[in-house]
Amino acid sequence: EDQVTQSPEALRLQEGESSSLNCSYTVSGLRGLFWYRQDPGKGPEFLFTLYSAGEEKEKERLKATLTKKESFLHITAPKPEDSATYLCAVHYVRMAQKLVFGQGTRLTINP
Amino acid sequence: EAGVVQSPRYKIIEKKQPVAFWCNPISGHNTLYWYLQNLGQGPELLIRYENEEAVDDSQLPKDRFSAERLKGVDSTLKIQPAELGDSAVYLCASSFTRLAGRTGELFFGEGSRLTVL
Repeated sequence: EDQVTQSPEALRLQEGESSSLNCSYTVSGLRGLFWYRQDPGKGPEFLFTLYSAGEEKEKERLKATLTKKESFLHITAPKPEDSATYLCAVHYVRMAQKLVFGQGTRLTINP
Repeated sequence: EAGVVQSPRYKIIEKKQPVAFWCNPISGHNTLYWYLQNLGQGPELLIRYENEEAVDDSQLPKDRFSAERLKGVDSTLKIQPAELGDSAVYLCASSFTRLAGRTGELFFGEGSRLTVL
């Protein structure tokens, strides 16, 4: 069964404490994996696209990586403003033109 | 540049009442999406439009939900009659067709939060 699973569901860190969020997928014919950020009461905001295993993308304190089974969103020295829900989504052959989202990881950075 | 605009932001209705949500996509975006997001979950696609045509409505509960996209621009999502389980956030998104499937970059509105009592 095609699935996208994110872990942990929630993560609470101290400011400056680095960590990683996980997105594992069991789909065939991956065309792309995407990370979004969602603030409370807002719609998701696009962060990264990863196309193939071994690829990495960076933006400020965030770095996304991709393997054949999962993706990680690494957060280095986070600040309180990084608090949000982070969603991953996949685009794959059987679901042409459709993004399938994971359930998200709710990240809280305490000052 | 204006983003995706949705209205209303919040709506509270009693069950069995009708409700409608409106979406104005980013100018020039020919693909429009309606997503449903339950609390603590990721968005789930309800319907996708390419210009005026609904090209993927397989997840739309057609007995009570309907949608239209007039002239390939604005779109309306309607629920009639609403049920308690319809309480959720309804997100509209838009994109350039030829890029979205490749880049995954959808532009979302702030959503319409529906509460059915």
